[in-house]
Amino acid sequence: NAGVTQTPKFQVLKTGQSMTLQCAQDMNHNSMYWYRQDPGMGLRLIYYSASEGTTDKGEVPNGYNVSRLNKREFSLRLESAAPSQTSVYFCASSDPLSGRPTDTQYFGPGTRLTVL
Amino acid sequence: LAKTTQPISMDSYEGQEVNITCSHNNIATNDYITWYQQFPSQGPRFIIQGYKTKVTNEVASLFIPADRKSSTLSLPRVSLSDTAVYYCLVGGSNFGNEKLTFGTGTRLTIIP
Repeated sequence: NAGVTQTPKFQVLKTGQSMTLQCAQDMNHNSMYWYRQDPGMGLRLIYYSASEGTTDKGEVPNGYNVSRLNKREFSLRLESAAPSQTSVYFCASSDPLSGRPTDTQYFGPGTRLTVL
Repeated sequence: LAKTTQPISMDSYEGQEVNITCSHNNIATNDYITWYQQFPSQGPRFIIQGYKTKVTNEVASLFIPADRKSSTLSLPRVSLSDTAVYYCLVGGSNFGNEKLTFGTGTRLTIIP
């Protein structure tokens, strides 16, 4: 049981390049999330998917797109990378319990992205 | 989502009990209080969650007064490995339509 996995672990891009960050979970969770964390800051929600087939914007969605490929996988795409997108990206998953909507999120190890 | 306020940083010596308080004056009736721990270069990890009074698990205790406008995470007999950032989250009563935020957390440093 690997939990939440993310690829790649590190990536360096040039301004204007595109890339997709991959995330997969094997816990059969319905909900998945993408966050970014800038140095010395907390996590900020980019996009989330409450269930397979649905996605919604979080706090900082501009410059990103997401795809909930299936129940296991949730990818984050940068179409035209900018230096302001230099950050550590975390994927998370959760399975809200009935009557207890603040559910436990399980996080991946993160992807450290640098945009030059 | 109720906004939270917690100290930016705290220091403590090994073996002591550490209490980190989080203020959440606008907590909604159905909101839960959740604490996460984050080590450097890792994703956050769930520590404890509660709704009211006291919750205890093998890692920590969570104290929530009757008015629920604050909560206190208590770490008993801390060790160097407890050095981390601790986040307080409040919300969840409108899952699917709220924007979850971790804030900047409390950076706890344990001194030998």
